[in-house]
Amino acid sequence: DSGVTQTPKHLITATGQRVTLRCSPRSGDLSVYWYQQSLDQGLQFLIQYYNGEERAKGNILERFSAQQFPDLHSELNLSSLELGDSALYFCASSVGYEDTDTQYFGPGTRLTVL
Amino acid sequence: AQTVTQSQPEMSVQEAETVTLSCTYDTSENNYYLFWYKQPPSRQMILVIRQEAYKQQNATENRFSVNFQKAAKSFSLKISDSQLGDTAMYFCALGLYNFNKFYFGSGTKLNVKP
Repeated sequence: DSGVTQTPKHLITATGQRVTLRCSPRSGDLSVYWYQQSLDQGLQFLIQYYNGEERAKGNILERFSAQQFPDLHSELNLSSLELGDSALYFCASSVGYEDTDTQYFGPGTRLTVL
Repeated sequence: AQTVTQSQPEMSVQEAETVTLSCTYDTSENNYYLFWYKQPPSRQMILVIRQEAYKQQNATENRFSVNFQKAAKSFSLKISDSQLGDTAMYFCALGLYNFNKFYFGSGTKLNVKP
């Protein structure tokens, strides 16, 4: 158990809908990262937050947005969902904001768009 | 640009034997860390081992060890006494100081056979 929690575990929704994925980092970690992993593919970095502020942006679509709250939990919002958005979404956390910090991953949220 | 390459999409090994997974990377930076993450069928990402680039000594964690060749930009993972529970996808990753991104390879699927 990495100490990072993600809810929900599974999410099934329809095209055009909007969903929110939630992540709670490990106690003491200030950074939260979001990744997308499509079927049989590697991890695509979406976005990073550090202590409430956006720190880095990767291949995140405009339909997607995220935020980190004062209690350091983070939410990833996905809107106008398309079939291709079906994937496993991981949240990871680390102590600092350097990319050399070890990232601890949550169990992931499996999103299925029908 | 930074890249991480895992040239073996899939490998098999007999239980109790040793297997080595390859990873090469490219960066012009001097300060960085390298990681191996394991993703079992449960799809959770688990940190296996971490290596600081400034350390010449190869990292070791129980049955897992790395062969870090900085000049060759090679970072292979050796798994000794393979166990059925080692069956997983293994990702090599590169983390750089002052860069806002974590670079993952495409993964190697390891199958440990009884």
